[in-house]
Amino acid sequence: EVQLVESGGGLVQPGGSLKLSCAASGFTFSGSAMHWVRQASGKGLEWVGRIRSKANSYATAYAASVKGRFTISRDDSKNTAYLQMNSLKTEDTAVYYCTRPQGDGAMASWGQGTLVTVSS
Amino acid sequence: EIVMTQSPATLSVSPGERATLSCRASQSVSSNLAWYQQKPGQAPRLLIYGASTRATGIPARFSGSGSGTEFTLTISSLQSEDFAVYYCQQYNNWPPATFGGGTKVEIK
Repeated sequence: EVQLVESGGGLVQPGGSLKLSCAASGFTFSGSAMHWVRQASGKGLEWVGRIRSKANSYATAYAASVKGRFTISRDDSKNTAYLQMNSLKTEDTAVYYCTRPQGDGAMASWGQGTLVTVSS
Repeated sequence: EIVMTQSPATLSVSPGERATLSCRASQSVSSNLAWYQQKPGQAPRLLIYGASTRATGIPARFSGSGSGTEFTLTISSLQSEDFAVYYCQQYNNWPPATFGGGTKVEIK
């Protein structure tokens, strides 16, 4: 069974940093891209970014709203993906989900999410 | 960036009735379209991918159709557990992946 467990959320001041983790199990993590998707309270889903596998050079891509502030990385030896968030803004407040895409790009598996609150 | 537009924003349906949800893309996404269901306090769940293929474990009352820019999710006979928010997402031209704004299916 695929399991994705996010951690690292919390309260941070504007301008601060936070690093989220996504621990994966139940599939071959090293061969899979991983994505991050966020959802502000009462709002829709927003794709944040993704990291591809080693076979695809660990290529990353980001939404325009976070580019230059957020960095996605992974440690295949720990079956874990990360989302480093810097220069946080109040509008980054959201539940952050990590997701595993199936081959064609649809998000087949989701974690339970971790809440990030950016407030002074 | 491809913009996904869902309609209606809210759909009021009685249990046992059919629900039809629409999703429109600002440009063709071929059949690279997914539908997700989200219940309060839960993560989204993949229902449909490839515009019309049900994901593992999804009941047959859920069906997807369309290609190009116009897509439909149909729930043939609404059950109590189907009242939720539904999102479409394109993955034809990304990054970025883009989601629709969602359709809330509520009890009439």
